[in-house]
Amino acid sequence: NAGVTQTPKFRILKIGQSMTLQCAQDMNHNYMYWYRQDPGMGLKLIYYSVGAGITDKGEVPNGYNVSRSTTEYFPLRLELAAPSQTSVYFCASSLSGYNEQFFGPGTRLTVL
Amino acid sequence: DQQVKQNSPSLSVQEGRISILNCDYTNSMFDYFLWYKKYPAEGPTFLISISSIKDKNEDGRFTVFLNKSAKHLSLHIVPSQPGDSAVYFCAAYDSGTYKYIFGTGTRLKVLA
Repeated sequence: NAGVTQTPKFRILKIGQSMTLQCAQDMNHNYMYWYRQDPGMGLKLIYYSVGAGITDKGEVPNGYNVSRSTTEYFPLRLELAAPSQTSVYFCASSLSGYNEQFFGPGTRLTVL
Repeated sequence: DQQVKQNSPSLSVQEGRISILNCDYTNSMFDYFLWYKKYPAEGPTFLISISSIKDKNEDGRFTVFLNKSAKHLSLHIVPSQPGDSAVYFCAAYDSGTYKYIFGTGTRLKVLA
């Protein structure tokens, strides 16, 4: 099992560019999450999904969009990149809300 | 409004001694609490959890205590080992909203 995989590992964007952060899990987990971690801060929930076709906003959803067409994939879309979106992004999955989350290795994004 | 707080950004402990990491929360609707450990350039990994109906959960060297009246939980590591040096995050789950809230983390350094 690969667990939770994220691509790319690193990316530099110019202001106004768009990109999609990819996330995949092979554990057949229903729940998937996107977090961002700014330096010296905890993880902030951006979006989450409790199953295919179901997504909802977390604490900091502005500037992002998600989709969940299958159980395995949960991509995060940045439409108009801004310097405030410079962060490390983590995708995670869990069997249910009460179960431990499994995290991917993260994507380090810089917006200049 | 930080609903989950880890007021100690860092902690140093001698190898073999006890490490105590603290976490406070404000939302009484949280019904599940988890601790994660994070090494640099990696995603967080699950350590131990506790349901709000319990006051203690133990797993090897790790014990989590929950004081609901004080809205406080703590993680005890006994004995501490150099390999425990990492950033520790507490997280709280609200099953009514499906949302996780993470604390800002405590960096533990275990000195050999």
